Amino acid sequence: DAKTTQPPSMDCAEGRAANLPCNHSTISGNEYVYWYRQIHSQGPQYIIHGLKNNETNEMASLIITEDRKSSTLILPHATLRDTAVYYCIVRDQYSGGGADGLTFGKGTHLIIQP
Amino acid sequence: NAGVTQTPKFRVLKTGQSMTLLCAQDMNHEYMYWYRQDPGMGLRLIHYSVGEGTTAKGEVPDGYNVSRLKKQNFLLGLESAAPSQTSVYFCASARATGNTIYFGEGSWLTVV
Repeated sequence: DAKTTQPPSMDCAEGRAANLPCNHSTISGNEYVYWYRQIHSQGPQYIIHGLKNNETNEMASLIITEDRKSSTLILPHATLRDTAVYYCIVRDQYSGGGADGLTFGKGTHLIIQP
Repeated sequence: NAGVTQTPKFRVLKTGQSMTLLCAQDMNHEYMYWYRQDPGMGLRLIHYSVGEGTTAKGEVPDGYNVSRLKKQNFLLGLESAAPSQTSVYFCASARATGNTIYFGEGSWLTVV
């Protein structure tokens, strides 16, 4: 069962902010929202994660709605090198040693246009 | 700072052959994972380990075996390779349960 829903693809102009939406309407209280990206033929790269509050780091910002049923990843000034597949993943931080690996969907293919 | 390193990066096998993929991490992480990724798909968890000497099955474990004899290494074995195991394999590690997971660069395996 998919825990997240993302659009299959999006375009964004270089230099503009890229806003990637994610729906996770069945998220539970212990589950964090993680974002990874995968540039063609490379390993997935961690971007950011959060529980309830908005988060920002050197790569991106994560905005989580108050009801936690959706979130948006923001790349503030997209460059051509940001073209990648972006995965939104919900993950239980307290799985107690079980299979707490990440469950990947198909993600959003973000294409940055020059 | 190497992070997570996988060897080999590319391999072609004949059906029925065996091989081992090696994953090494230099971050003193307890948890390690093996994923596979097929064209146009997300990653799927094969096996994982929560510490030295432990292994457990993930979502798609059939046809694979793993071993974690040393904390820094996680080996993925294919006893009798099949064309359905043609895929890109990613190793990953995390400091502990619930911590951020970091990935290697992948190993491309083709079974003919």
